[in-house]
Amino acid sequence: DTGVSQNPRHKITKRGQNVTFRCDPISEHNRLYWYRQTLGQGPEFLTYFQNEAQLEKSRLLSDRFSAERPKGSFSTLEIQRTEQGDSAMYLCASSLWGAEAFFGQGTRLTVV
Amino acid sequence: KNQVEQSPQSLIILEGKNCTLQCNYTVSPFSNLRWYKQDTGRGPVSLTIMTFSENTKSNGRYTATLDADTKQSSLHITASQLSDSASYICVVSAITGNQFYFGTGTSLTVIP
Repeated sequence: DTGVSQNPRHKITKRGQNVTFRCDPISEHNRLYWYRQTLGQGPEFLTYFQNEAQLEKSRLLSDRFSAERPKGSFSTLEIQRTEQGDSAMYLCASSLWGAEAFFGQGTRLTVV
Repeated sequence: KNQVEQSPQSLIILEGKNCTLQCNYTVSPFSNLRWYKQDTGRGPVSLTIMTFSENTKSNGRYTATLDADTKQSSLHITASQLSDSASYICVVSAITGNQFYFGTGTSLTVIP
């Protein structure tokens, strides 16, 4: 499978715990995006990388959120001290420059 | 402010009927507009992409139109099938932007 891969697909965690999600983009894509999507809403932009550089962060990305793309390939999104409001689908997408974004299947986070 | 608005928010139609979804945007300077289909619990999948010079583009039973002057797009689905039940998201890119601007989506339900 040469598409965008996200792991895990589902994560249930207790409030206050830390969680980390992984995204493996399409190999030749230099841009990688993270989005958050709640039920009935469109995806909301969180952050974006061009190669290993994090070029833009949304105000939605509070200090409890951190994203990395250390070698310009896969990326991780970590949420510290999770809150119930963090429950959402976290989507990763990649693109070659500003061309079409290809999305992964998402990671569904439930904070209980 | 760059925004994308979609209507209706939700739609229920009988199998075999046609429907049209609307997208209005204020993203500038405009680069392209894409319609994505998102099945429940999955990532969005691209249906069509339209650039400034294109007015109409078809992909099977899906036909997208674009009026760059009025900044409106529509997605017409012909002879709907049960498998068309999904959210349809309009995504607009700006020439100078580093991200994609998402609408909140139209939830389509096709009933037998």
